[in-house]
Amino acid sequence: DAGITQSPRHKVTETGTPVTLRCHQTENHRYMYWYRQDPGHGLRLIHYSYGVKDTDKGEVSDGYSVSRSKTEDFLLTLESATSSQTSVYFCAISESMGNEQFFGPGTRLTVL
Amino acid sequence: SQKIEQNSEALNIQEGKTATLTCNYTNYSPAYLQWYRQDPGRGPVFLLLIRENEKEKRKERLKVTFDTTLKQSLFHITASQPADSATYLCALAHGSGNTGKLIFGQGTTLQVKP
Repeated sequence: DAGITQSPRHKVTETGTPVTLRCHQTENHRYMYWYRQDPGHGLRLIHYSYGVKDTDKGEVSDGYSVSRSKTEDFLLTLESATSSQTSVYFCAISESMGNEQFFGPGTRLTVL
Repeated sequence: SQKIEQNSEALNIQEGKTATLTCNYTNYSPAYLQWYRQDPGRGPVFLLLIRENEKEKRKERLKVTFDTTLKQSLFHITASQPADSATYLCALAHGSGNTGKLIFGQGTTLQVKP
């Protein structure tokens, strides 16, 4: 497996609280991505990064922010969690946009 | 509107047969298409990438075709085994050249019975 870890792996939180998910890679890949996966929707891109401090929005970015201060870490923040953000979140990395993506193990987030 | 569709119904086949999964898309012109495998509770794993100028790609028991006229990719697993049981996702590159973000289909679940 590519060296990608996500933390926490599981989290239960309440509506309105801030939540930060962390993705850490040891592959030195330039691109990092955050997806969410929901039944009936498949994987949807939230945000991605193409370098340190370089990020851009994906398909479902509302309510989420990201930061990348180091090559190896990509943080996803829910400023004020809502029940609609209950999902499984996957981080992925790739050497370039045209290459295959390597996925982390996922974080299951439940917002009550 | 833009859509990428995979058969949402599970595909059940007998061990040793060839499994064929379909990925159809509308209103996209992808430069390439990828296939991933996902097991329950785990992240997707990359299998194959096929570019718009390639008709077919093979890797061991896997074969992918890409027909840009029909806007369709077919994914074949020959001599299927119970260990091939998983959900298979297609993803196409949305955007020009190698700068496209991936758009994923919902996946098709394959069940191979011994």
